[in-house]
Amino acid sequence: DTGVSQDPRHKITKRGQNVTFRCDPISEHNRLYWYRQTLGQGPEFLTYFQNEAQLEKSRLLSDRFSAERPKGSFSTLEIQRTEQGDSAMYLCASSLGNEGEAFFGQGTRLTVV
Amino acid sequence: AQSVAQPEDQVNVAEGNPLTVKCTYSVSGNPYLFWYVQYPNRGLQFLLKYITGDNLVKGSYGFEAEFNKSQTSFHLKKPSALVSDSALYFCAVRDGVDSSYKLIFGSGTRLLVRP
Repeated sequence: DTGVSQDPRHKITKRGQNVTFRCDPISEHNRLYWYRQTLGQGPEFLTYFQNEAQLEKSRLLSDRFSAERPKGSFSTLEIQRTEQGDSAMYLCASSLGNEGEAFFGQGTRLTVV
Repeated sequence: AQSVAQPEDQVNVAEGNPLTVKCTYSVSGNPYLFWYVQYPNRGLQFLLKYITGDNLVKGSYGFEAEFNKSQTSFHLKKPSALVSDSALYFCAVRDGVDSSYKLIFGSGTRLLVRP
């Protein structure tokens, strides 16, 4: 499968715990994005990388959230001290070039109990 | 600021009938417009995009969309709906002039195609 892959697909964690998600983009894509989607809403932009550089972060991304893309390949999104409000689907996407569409992974569904 | 509006939470059509899912947008520069479809517990699948050129763009699964600059709209259409088209549809916009590559999504429209 040459699409965007995300791991894990589901994560249940207790409030206050840290969690980390991984995203493997389509191999030749230079841009990688993280979005968050809650039930009944459209995806909301969190952050994006061009190669290994994190170029933009949303105000939604509190200081408990951190994302990395070492070597411009896979990316990780870490949430520290999780809160119930962090429960959502976290979507990763990648794209190529100035006009390329974003291709999305199947997402990681986080439930904070 | 960029924004997208999908005025209908749900659209109901009978199989075989034409369908339209509405989208209007607001950007300060040139709009790059996209439609995505989402099936339950899945990520988003790309359907089609408008960057420049012909106002009528054709995409996957027989869908098409018409860009209307004066009405700032990008409605999704299909001549003959299938039951399998039932899903959640999202319109998204990016400012082609802005250096940001982030997509702004609408709130989504649920399409229900009845047999």
